[in-house]
Amino acid sequence: QSALTQPASVSGSPGQSITISCSGTSSDVGVYNFVSWYQQHPGEAPKVIIYDVTKRPSGVSNRFSGSKSGNTASLTISGLQAEDEADYYCCSYGGSNTLKVVFGGGTKLTVL
Amino acid sequence: QLQLQESGPGLVKTSETLSLTCTVSSGSISSNNYYWGWIRQPPGKGLEWIGSVSYSGSTYYNPSLKSRVSISVDTSKNQFSLNLRSVTAADTAVYFCARQSQYCSGDRCYAVLSWFDPWGQGSLVTVSS
Repeated sequence: QSALTQPASVSGSPGQSITISCSGTSSDVGVYNFVSWYQQHPGEAPKVIIYDVTKRPSGVSNRFSGSKSGNTASLTISGLQAEDEADYYCCSYGGSNTLKVVFGGGTKLTVL
Repeated sequence: QLQLQESGPGLVKTSETLSLTCTVSSGSISSNNYYWGWIRQPPGKGLEWIGSVSYSGSTYYNPSLKSRVSISVDTSKNQFSLNLRSVTAADTAVYFCARQSQYCSGDRCYAVLSWFDPWGQGSLVTVSS
């Protein structure tokens, strides 16, 4: 199994909405609802913002939402704010055979 | 709330063993609902899962590292540890430890490894001759 595929970069203006895709396979994203998303600011540890495809941990803004269609999961950020500029990573359970946990390559979000 | 802290040498020589410990505080490592994981991030690159361990010692590893890695748990010290053997410069990275949720239904858990939260602050390990 390979890493999940994310766009290297996305950008948007304050107040806009953006969507980051996370493409997997029928062995991971497509079959399991255990996709999570992480936000990482420079020099900091990642922070979970979405888990189990659509759930938000307590304290995470409702501007962040997750979804899935087929083998592709998506993270949408609405009402972009300057502090949303960060790297975003998706992660999925990979099944019981080999690679149990697989991350995406990461997406750099720039708020223009 | 639960906190995790990595500790260990910041510099390891090529071909030697990288050893890190993660200390869990303000909570117990002995919970059936969680695994405890190691993730690394080479400078300027993305995240890579290394492996995870349960409080009872069950382990799962990334196949790409499996021949060189071992993860163990010490419930008496509320710690879990990473050993990575025969390191090269490619193993230079920030190493994070994190609690990992697993899917449970009722009183039964299924080793379906899910999201990581919380994370330690990370520990930079440089491999050099």
